[in-house]
Amino acid sequence: AQSVTQPDIHITVSEGASLELRCNYSYGATPYLFWYVQSPGQGLQLLLKYFSGDTLVQGIKGFEAEFKRSQSSFNLRKPSVHWSDAAEYFCAVEVDAGNMLTFGGGTRLMVKP
Amino acid sequence: DAGVIQSPRHEVTEMGQEVTLRCKPISGHNSLFWYRQTMMRGLELLIYFNNNVPIDDSGMPEDRFSAKMPNASFSTLKIQPSEPRDSAVYFCASSLGEWSYGYTFGSGTRLTVV
Repeated sequence: AQSVTQPDIHITVSEGASLELRCNYSYGATPYLFWYVQSPGQGLQLLLKYFSGDTLVQGIKGFEAEFKRSQSSFNLRKPSVHWSDAAEYFCAVEVDAGNMLTFGGGTRLMVKP
Repeated sequence: DAGVIQSPRHEVTEMGQEVTLRCKPISGHNSLFWYRQTMMRGLELLIYFNNNVPIDDSGMPEDRFSAKMPNASFSTLKIQPSEPRDSAVYFCASSLGEWSYGYTFGSGTRLTVV
């Protein structure tokens, strides 16, 4: 069965610093890949998604993610973090037409002033 | 579009009482998902529907939980009787039903069973 691993449970960065959140998946083929963000008290919001083609995808709020097939990774990046980016981030994969997403455990991002 | 609408936003109930959570998916979406989120277990898929038909309910914890989708615009998740360990945030999500679009989540219902 497919699985998604987010190795970092918590990450703290300073405002203005760059950010990279890691995501690794386990699946034989290339799945569809997603990043979601959850602000406190809110549902999950889709940041970006990868299906095929260019391995660097752009999302909302200045985020981007790069798919690396050789590493089975789909890491999320942002060049300069804002205090409003403090939230929990979830990586997810979709591997068949059953429309089922498998979520990682999440990474909680804290932003220092 | 107003997005996925869940009600109530917060529910506090006593152990043993029946609880009903409601969800209105985005118009035109034909897949609907119920998730539960807790600190200990993270996001858990409880059940999902495709074209109003339950496809996979293997995540439903036990017989106390039931879900229905009588039409394309409404779904309920019922817990009867409720227990303190059911306290969690319950999310509803919908999608177009074709893979590659991802889900749109509601804002969730925070359930507290005392």
